[in-house]
Amino acid sequence: GAGVSQSPSNKVTEKGKDVELRCDPISGHTALYWYRQSLGQGLEFLIYFQGNSAPDKSGLPSDRFSAERTGGSVSTLTIQRTQQEDSAVYLCASSLGGSGVQYEQYFGPGTRLTVT
Amino acid sequence: AQKVTQAQTEISVVEKEDVTLDCVYETRDTTYYLFWYKQPPSGELVFLIRRNSFDEQNEISGRYSWNFQKSTSSFNFTITASQVVDSAVYFCARISSGSARQLTFGSGTQLTVLP
Repeated sequence: GAGVSQSPSNKVTEKGKDVELRCDPISGHTALYWYRQSLGQGLEFLIYFQGNSAPDKSGLPSDRFSAERTGGSVSTLTIQRTQQEDSAVYLCASSLGGSGVQYEQYFGPGTRLTVT
Repeated sequence: AQKVTQAQTEISVVEKEDVTLDCVYETRDTTYYLFWYKQPPSGELVFLIRRNSFDEQNEISGRYSWNFQKSTSSFNFTITASQVVDSAVYFCARISSGSARQLTFGSGTQLTVLP
């Protein structure tokens, strides 16, 4: 079946502009995660959605970052007023979710964001 | 945060050699989950294995095997008879049961298998 898809695969933007990154999880997966991978910081958690519960935003680095998940499926990560330190690969993952068992997360190919 | 440590930054081996990737984790929890992921040059993280804290049985899958030892908080990964296609960055990660559901990753080990 189809895996996690992300778009765009690459995004180059000027400092100060807003960007939107999209994630389509695996069908039937109720949990969705955003991570960021950069050279200096490794793989960092950003935000987690589980069903209709309030998202866990504890990993968002600043209030310029926000995310939403519509209809329990597609998610959009928005970065406002981008800065050069936002340059990274943004990874989306999904899993079966649920409580008590930590199912494995399946990752998309990522969006490489370059802020010039 | 409870850390995951992969002390080996880079490893280089010659094809057909066996190689072990080390992973040490911190935990204050009784129940937790450990994972290994592979990131080939294409960039996509590929799930390899999940292990629950209450299941210390080692696991073998083809040329891959995993050794989980709670006494030393280690979850090591061995590739037997390595191949060039095994060249990738390998990440160890953990999740605790409870409300925090995000993966905490180690810094990764770059494995290069030379022909």
